Amino acid sequence: EDQVTQSPEALRLQEGESSSLNCSYTVSGLRGLFWYRQDPGKGPEFLFTLYSAGEEKEKERLKATLTKKESFLHITAPKPEDSATYLCAASGGSYIPTFGRGTSLIVHP
Amino acid sequence: ETGVTQTPRHLVMGMTNKKSLKCEQHLGHNAMYWYKQSAKKPLELMFVYNFKEQTENNSVPSRFSPECPNSSHLFLHLHTLQPEDSALYLCASSQDLWRGLDEAFFGQGTRLTVV
Repeated sequence: EDQVTQSPEALRLQEGESSSLNCSYTVSGLRGLFWYRQDPGKGPEFLFTLYSAGEEKEKERLKATLTKKESFLHITAPKPEDSATYLCAASGGSYIPTFGRGTSLIVHP
Repeated sequence: ETGVTQTPRHLVMGMTNKKSLKCEQHLGHNAMYWYKQSAKKPLELMFVYNFKEQTENNSVPSRFSPECPNSSHLFLHLHTLQPEDSALYLCASSQDLWRGLDEAFFGQGTRLTVV
């Protein structure tokens, strides 16, 4: 059974304080590892797709990396507007993505 | 707006009512999904349609009935729901099933409350 575990469950940062979110996965035949951002009362918004170990992608203050067992979302010098819940999902041979519970990030000014 | 529109945004229904949720996308996507999001739980996949054909029914109770009349529209018909069915119901679309959630778009969701 595919599993995705995100940690920490919640994270509080000061503005400018860099940190990383973790997504550990157990998926047979990984086809894609996805990162999404979700603001309260809204649907998730696509951030990144990673396909193979060693791959990295960046967007503004966010950088996603992938190994054979986990993915990290690095947030460099975060701002209050980066506050959101960050969701990780992975899909394998069945093509059906499995989501983690998410990490709730709060960035204080 | 994300390109995926869900209506209604909020719905309160009794356990004996029948209602429908609607999802519409004009992104040219071929895969459409219904997800259930409950507090403190991961997003739960309910149904998947790929090129209008249902490819996945993730052990969803029969009181939830999906319909995909064309590649742009997806419905979720609800009847005799239970209070534990109260949740945020999200519709999503992606280019096709094989790319999974790569650049998928989610709607704003329908907040359902069953009383």
